[in-house]
Amino acid sequence: QVQLQESGPGLVKPSQTLSLTCAVSGGSISSGTYYWNWIRQPAGKGLEWIGRIYTSGSTNYNPSLKSRVTISIDTSKNQFSLILSSVTAADTAVYYCARARYLAWFDSWGQGTLVTVSS
Amino acid sequence: QSALTQPPSASGTPGQRVTVSCSGSSSNIESNTVNWYQQLPGTAPKLLIYSSDQRPSGVPDRFSGSKSGTSASLAISGLQSEDEADYYCAVWDDSLSGPVFGGGTKLTVL
Repeated sequence: QVQLQESGPGLVKPSQTLSLTCAVSGGSISSGTYYWNWIRQPAGKGLEWIGRIYTSGSTNYNPSLKSRVTISIDTSKNQFSLILSSVTAADTAVYYCARARYLAWFDSWGQGTLVTVSS
Repeated sequence: QSALTQPPSASGTPGQRVTVSCSGSSSNIESNTVNWYQQLPGTAPKLLIYSSDQRPSGVPDRFSGSKSGTSASLAISGLQSEDEADYYCAVWDDSLSGPVFGGGTKLTVL
């Protein structure tokens, strides 16, 4: 059974860059036809899809964040990463990585990591 | 403003049947299958229903999903206290070229 684990700084200063990594265990990130996603959730609010990457490296991003987001994959380390630039307080949220079997079918999730944007 | 509309809250007593609705449009629910997630307090979302009406292994058959036109529903029968959670619908949106989530419904077991 695949497991996902997010890691990265819990505090980022405004205007700086947020960087998170999702380590995948229990299976190869290259196997199967899965998309690897980042999703976030501000405190007390709903879920927002940030973007996804396929094992080939092809990406799709939420248009509302596209200009600030980069998602990459490292198959040798069995992990994928999120970079979000020019952060503001509005980017404060719990960030989840998740595997998608198909479109919006997220069958495995990380436990989430809280990122706070504050000086 | 979510592309998918859910009631912010729902409630029921133990043993009752409750439904949670999810309203969308021709670019999402009408064109693609719907997925439902359960989020217990302080935890990550968990897949509850996929492909509109399929249950993953381990999900009780008390949970069921349906879709018609631009709307979908999650039904929970034989309500239990452990079902108290937030429920989210999610579906691919052809206009966005990405998945969209409903705003979530907080289910309270009275």
